[in-house]
Amino acid sequence: DAGVTQSPTHLIKTRGQHVTLRCSPISGHKSVSWYQQVLGQGPQFIFQYYEKEERGRGNFPDRFSARQFPNYSSELNVNALLLGDSALYLCASSSGYNSPLHFGNGTRLTVT
Amino acid sequence: GIQVEQSPPDLILQEGANSTLRCNFSDSVNNLQWFHQNPWGQLINLFYIPSGTKQNGRLSATTVATERYSLLYISSSQTTDSGVYFCAVLSYNTDKLIFGTGTRLQVFP
Repeated sequence: DAGVTQSPTHLIKTRGQHVTLRCSPISGHKSVSWYQQVLGQGPQFIFQYYEKEERGRGNFPDRFSARQFPNYSSELNVNALLLGDSALYLCASSSGYNSPLHFGNGTRLTVT
Repeated sequence: GIQVEQSPPDLILQEGANSTLRCNFSDSVNNLQWFHQNPWGQLINLFYIPSGTKQNGRLSATTVATERYSLLYISSSQTTDSGVYFCAVLSYNTDKLIFGTGTRLQVFP
């Protein structure tokens, strides 16, 4: 069975641009979460979606938005990119609350 | 919010040695996981262990929820065990996974 898949794997953008990151959960998983990991730190929670509804939001500016589609895949959008948005963006899926999270390999975003 | 601290921050071992990693958390939790992040950034789920003890090969974990800590044991370490180990918790009052500070493990042949 396929694990959590993310695309693209690497991305280079310029300050002020917009980026869309994509995630497909494990088959049967209805919950998708997004995390940002800056070099040298642990992942920080950005969003959680369950059954296409936002269930949680971390301490990130409104430039960050996300959505979940009927097939439970998800997109993370970041507008007006800043240098500080350079990070590894991780997507995780689970079958529901209090279930283990499984992470994808991440998208490494570099903003120049 | 809940605080999650791990110790030691860094650990250097020779192949074959055993080690214990600790995770302390500041509030009651109903979800605790241990992850291994390899040098390529992949975050691999090791254990889902809100309480009790589990074993998987050379790895085992114990969580004592009432005392707010969890331990990860690595026996007969191998060079492929190198990377960063994170514990992450989900408290009763939130729906976001909070990651600890991590333990960076280096295993040399």
